[in-house]
Amino acid sequence: GAGVSQSPRYKVTKRGQDVALRCDPISGHVSLYWYRQALGQGPEFLTYFNYEAQQDKSGLPNDRFSAERPEGSISTLTIQRTEQRDSAMYRCASSLAGYGYTFGSGTRLTVV
Amino acid sequence: DAKTTQPPSMDCAEGRAANLPCNHSTISGNEYVYWYRQIHSQGPQYIIHGLKNNETNEMASLIITEDRKSSTLILPHATLRDTAVYYCIVRREDNYGQNFVFGPGTRLSVLP
Repeated sequence: GAGVSQSPRYKVTKRGQDVALRCDPISGHVSLYWYRQALGQGPEFLTYFNYEAQQDKSGLPNDRFSAERPEGSISTLTIQRTEQRDSAMYRCASSLAGYGYTFGSGTRLTVV
Repeated sequence: DAKTTQPPSMDCAEGRAANLPCNHSTISGNEYVYWYRQIHSQGPQYIIHGLKNNETNEMASLIITEDRKSSTLILPHATLRDTAVYYCIVRREDNYGQNFVFGPGTRLSVLP
């Protein structure tokens, strides 16, 4: 596609529910990154992939968070048993090897 | 950690040049300096990057000191639409990606 597409744009979920956030990167982009951003703060790294391989997941806050990119294109970030502190904007970005990122519009997650 | 230091906020008069400083005293020889900006609730947007030479594109100029320990992003004629948070990031340039580490950035306010 022309840009990085994320869905849904907004997600409200009850505490304890699982959520899945989707990222469709720019076609052909090798690297895909997940960040989350709290209001008034810079993006916080979560994890990234090169093709289908997860290269670094050191930013995932705990084992309720997981991500996959099974075919090296679309990625899903899953949060199990959501908690209120998980509420944030979740941003996906993709890049060609060695170049800067292109970010998507993000998914705003609200846990109530 | 972000490995860069930026002032938390700056003001600039519309039509004047905005000069945003960044200190990166621990930068390694193979690390580039990247600048991104984030307007309101949009995703971060790539502006420019460089290694040691000054760089210019249609958006901005990047001046890197000879010792590479600091740099300045210059918006030559700031407009109200340049009001944003500007992030200075150092990152290794390689073929397999590396996550960007965003600090708090500089909140630039362009005043009419």
